[in-house]
Amino acid sequence: ETGVTQTPRHLVMGMTNKKSLKCEQHLGHNAMYWYKQSAKKPLELMFVYNFKEQTENNSVPSRFSPECPNSSHLFLHLHTLQPEDSALYLCASSREVAGAQETQYFGPGTRLLVL
Amino acid sequence: QKEVEQNSGPLSVPEGAIASLNCTYSDRGSQSFFWYRQYSGKSPELIMFIYSNGDKEDGRFTAQLNKASQYVSLLIRDSQPSDSATYLCAVRGGSYIPTFGRGTSLIVHP
Repeated sequence: ETGVTQTPRHLVMGMTNKKSLKCEQHLGHNAMYWYKQSAKKPLELMFVYNFKEQTENNSVPSRFSPECPNSSHLFLHLHTLQPEDSALYLCASSREVAGAQETQYFGPGTRLLVL
Repeated sequence: QKEVEQNSGPLSVPEGAIASLNCTYSDRGSQSFFWYRQYSGKSPELIMFIYSNGDKEDGRFTAQLNKASQYVSLLIRDSQPSDSATYLCAVRGGSYIPTFGRGTSLIVHP
């Protein structure tokens, strides 16, 4: 266990559904990240939050909406997704965002299937 | 566009052999380098990081960094079947956002 938890672990949703992914870290970190991992592709950074403030939106479609109510919790709200959005969604955290020596710790991921 | 390249594999080695995984990167300003191991269906797990040129050893793992040639490698000595996984290389430069490679699949056969 890395100290980063994600729920649900698996999610199947239709294109018209609305769902949310939740991430919680118990490491006292100040930075949190959402990544998308698709088969045969590198990890794709989606969003970065530092001290609850969004510092990076990597050209993510608006059907993905992040929320960070505090430094320990991160949500990803999903609506009107497409089948190509099916992937493993990973949350990660680090002490800080800046600093070349910061390391990220990943949660177990949510396996999402959009039908 | 910052790029991190890895051979997707699979790299197949016999148990007890040395597995050598390589990673090249395009951003000369890169400062820190990470190796993650990802078992099938699981999340990435940090196993090594290196910042300075040369070798860094941790148990059976050795990371090697050559900034002039822009490559970083991971050696796994005495490979075990439990080392079978995908190994992700991540590179962090002036931007604080790490760039990940596609990963190399390693198979250690008994």
